[in-house]
Amino acid sequence: DTEVTQTPKHLVMGMTNKKSLKCEQHMGHRAMYWYKQKAKKPPELMFVYSYEKLSINESVPSRFSPECPNSSLLNLHLHALQPEDSALYLCASSQDRAGRDEQFFGPGTRLTVL
Amino acid sequence: AQSVTQPDIHITVSEGASLELRCNYSYGATPYLFWYVQSPGQGLQLLLKYFSGDTLVQGIKGFEAEFKRSQSSFNLRKPSVHWSDAAEYFCASMIKAAGNKLTFGGGTRVLVKP
Repeated sequence: DTEVTQTPKHLVMGMTNKKSLKCEQHMGHRAMYWYKQKAKKPPELMFVYSYEKLSINESVPSRFSPECPNSSLLNLHLHALQPEDSALYLCASSQDRAGRDEQFFGPGTRLTVL
Repeated sequence: AQSVTQPDIHITVSEGASLELRCNYSYGATPYLFWYVQSPGQGLQLLLKYFSGDTLVQGIKGFEAEFKRSQSSFNLRKPSVHWSDAAEYFCASMIKAAGNKLTFGGGTRVLVKP
């Protein structure tokens, strides 16, 4: 299985809602990532988990809360988002070899904040 | 700090014609280099990667890229494009010192004319 899956595919939420994005991989990868991608822009790194521990937080606002329950699963909890948070949220995973490490991306969750 | 530049924002090419996408990186040492493709609303798919060794790298879908240290470049090529190659292409780099952090170029959108 060489896939990263993400659910839901689309999500519409109000600014007072709480929702979660889910990402799963079964490739035995030990690093998992969240990226945010605005239209016509490259992905921007948000968080990196390495061996289930948060290793990089790119100064992301606290209304985004990542969680890595186990090595195959990565969640992104959303609360009190703003309309400018509307974007494509991409999850990725890799074997976690510093440098020589190719990342596999999921199809993304298209988030709209009203 | 490392950076990646893709000088061409848009490229239009006729079906069957050749394609070359430019990528330049800025870093003292040789980074690890990647090309990803993204179809509209989709995740990123890895086309090819360069870690070391042979400077001409073969990838999927008939793509190849050549690493040129003297020009700090990693240009992507395809001899004959298909309509399905219309997509956004991202060049990215990674350096060992930065852990697993990918630095993306701004992307090049490829349009294919029939």
